[in-house]
Amino acid sequence: SQKIEQNSEALNIQEGKTATLTCNYTNYSPAYLQWYRQDPGRGPVFLLLIRENEKEKRKERLKVTFDTTLKQSLFHITASQPADSATYLCALDLGTGKLIFGQGTTLQVKP
Amino acid sequence: GAVVSQHPSRVICKSGTSVKIECRSLDFQATTMFWYRQFPKQSLMLMATSNEGSKATYEQGVEKDKFLINHASLTLSTLTVTSAHPEDSSFYICSVGIAGASTDTQYFGPGTRLTVL
Repeated sequence: SQKIEQNSEALNIQEGKTATLTCNYTNYSPAYLQWYRQDPGRGPVFLLLIRENEKEKRKERLKVTFDTTLKQSLFHITASQPADSATYLCALDLGTGKLIFGQGTTLQVKP
Repeated sequence: GAVVSQHPSRVICKSGTSVKIECRSLDFQATTMFWYRQFPKQSLMLMATSNEGSKATYEQGVEKDKFLINHASLTLSTLTVTSAHPEDSSFYICSVGIAGASTDTQYFGPGTRLTVL
């Protein structure tokens, strides 16, 4: 069956450290993978997109990797700050305009 | 990007009544909008794709007669939950899809919290 999985347990890290979140999928062949940030009671906000033929993408303190062999994407936040505390969602873009979302991983950055 | 608004942000209604949620694209003409539902601690689940000037496309398992979608203009889509029941209580979010050079990015509204008593 098709699945997209993120670590459902919250990730707690100390300010200044690098946060690494994982997104695994099975039985999908996404053309692209997107990462979104969602704060409580709010809609998701687009962060980064990576194509299937790209290994890595960076934007300021954010870095995304995409391994189509492992069927995995890693999302890194370097020099994390308490303001980075939120739920991060990965989404598979199958090239149809629709997105398939993971359940999200909640990140808590402690000062 | 696109700025997307939703109204109302919160609504409480009695079981059996109908509730309308509006989704507006404030700075972008959207031929396609998407409606999602999110239960606590769960993923966003796509309910339907709203197409301007034509019928919405519903995902498997979503009752089109219960969740009425009207995309009357390029800036407005509405979702009406008819005969709402407590199990329809959820966070409803719309999004606007913007075509990029090779893929679409979605810009989401702030969501509407529906509570059915």
